[in-house]
Amino acid sequence: NAGVTQTPKFRVLKTGQSMTLLCAQDMNHEYMYWYRQDPGMGLRLIHYSVGEGTTAKGEVPDGYNVSRLKKQNFLLGLESAAPSQTSVYFCASTSDSGYTFGSGTRLTVV
Amino acid sequence: AQSVTQLDSHVSVSEGTPVLLRCNYSSSYSPSLFWYVQHPNKGLQLLLKYTSAATLVKGINGFEAEFKKSETSFHLTKPSAHMSDAAEYFCVVIPSGSARQLTFGSGTQLTVLP
Repeated sequence: NAGVTQTPKFRVLKTGQSMTLLCAQDMNHEYMYWYRQDPGMGLRLIHYSVGEGTTAKGEVPDGYNVSRLKKQNFLLGLESAAPSQTSVYFCASTSDSGYTFGSGTRLTVV
Repeated sequence: AQSVTQLDSHVSVSEGTPVLLRCNYSSSYSPSLFWYVQHPNKGLQLLLKYTSAATLVKGINGFEAEFKKSETSFHLTKPSAHMSDAAEYFCVVIPSGSARQLTFGSGTQLTVLP
């Protein structure tokens, strides 16, 4: 089925470890986004991309890096995980027809 | 910067009674506004969106919202709550000049009592 796929769905990291979250969409959308969701704060934008090879910072970019080497993939990296990065991460993509969200990645940093 | 404020962090209603979830926005012009719902441990689902075609917007599952420019509000309503409506609801705006990124309110947790 067409949509946005996030991998992994769950992950536990130790402080200082690194990891990459993958977001893949098969709808040929230009725009892609990474959000984090924390209780009482809604979803906050980390980074976004308006097309292949482009990325930009959102509201809360510190501690994260992203890459968009292929149009269908948007990667979110944590170089040195911190407990403050414990959160649920959502990827989204959009075209003129609307937004599609992934099912989320629950990350715990201990 | 444009933003949305959800006026209630928690709302409780009895099953069969009306639902009102309040949202105010800040904008110098008519923005694009959305309501999303998130059921426990689930992803986000679009309820409805306003894009200036009509001030009263009907969404899925009996929800609707009215855009009131004079009050800068976009409140979500439903005439009769169902147990399955229990979830978190987000009011969302697309800021002007943005790369279409959604700006979320802090959310309203709706509890439906039997």
